[in-house]
Amino acid sequence: QVQLVQSGSELKKPGASVKVSCKASGYTFTSYAMNWVRQAPGQGLEWMGWINTNTGNPTYAQGFTGRFVFSLDTSVSTAYLQISSLKAEDTAVYYCAREGVYSSGWYDYWGQGTLVTVSS
Amino acid sequence: SYVLTQPPSVSVAPGQTARITCGGNNIGSKSVHWYQQKPGQAPVLVVYDDSDRPSGIPERFSGSNSGNTATLTISRVEAGDEADYYCQVWDSSSDPNVVFGGGTKLTVL
Repeated sequence: QVQLVQSGSELKKPGASVKVSCKASGYTFTSYAMNWVRQAPGQGLEWMGWINTNTGNPTYAQGFTGRFVFSLDTSVSTAYLQISSLKAEDTAVYYCAREGVYSSGWYDYWGQGTLVTVSS
Repeated sequence: SYVLTQPPSVSVAPGQTARITCGGNNIGSKSVHWYQQKPGQAPVLVVYDDSDRPSGIPERFSGSNSGNTATLTISRVEAGDEADYYCQVWDSSSDPNVVFGGGTKLTVL
């Protein structure tokens, strides 16, 4: 069965970096795009962008350029989200989400979420 | 950027029908997807491409889309349907390309 398993919660100080992993199983990793979605505490869903799992080419949404980096390790079917120069407002749950079909725009499987807390 | 507008809350008695709307400029020309999110859990896709259901989603969940409004309809509502519901579209002309509505809290009375 398809599973996306994310790394555990992180507590970081402002200015630090964090790397969240999303390990896929149960399907061919390179056949589906991987997206990232942020949910701040008590707020709605916010799309951060996606990465082409064939080429490794990332696309970032407005507001997620510069400090945010999507990457892959296809040998272990894992996608990564790295955030640098963390700020308090980066505190959120971060989800990876598989796109059902390339360019379909809908997400059929989601990771369980990774809570990143930024606090001094 | 493209904006999707949802009512903050909808309440319905068990066994009744819940309708959750998602408003957007000419949204009928786009494909709309719906997600259910229960507290502390990841979102779950319940309707995609306006009205298709993923496998495992009950037939009680249905969708429609026309004009400036898309609607998620939940028939014979159960206590377990209580959750936040989000609509979402992909719009190549917008930045960001993917937009979520603000979410609707469905309360089962």
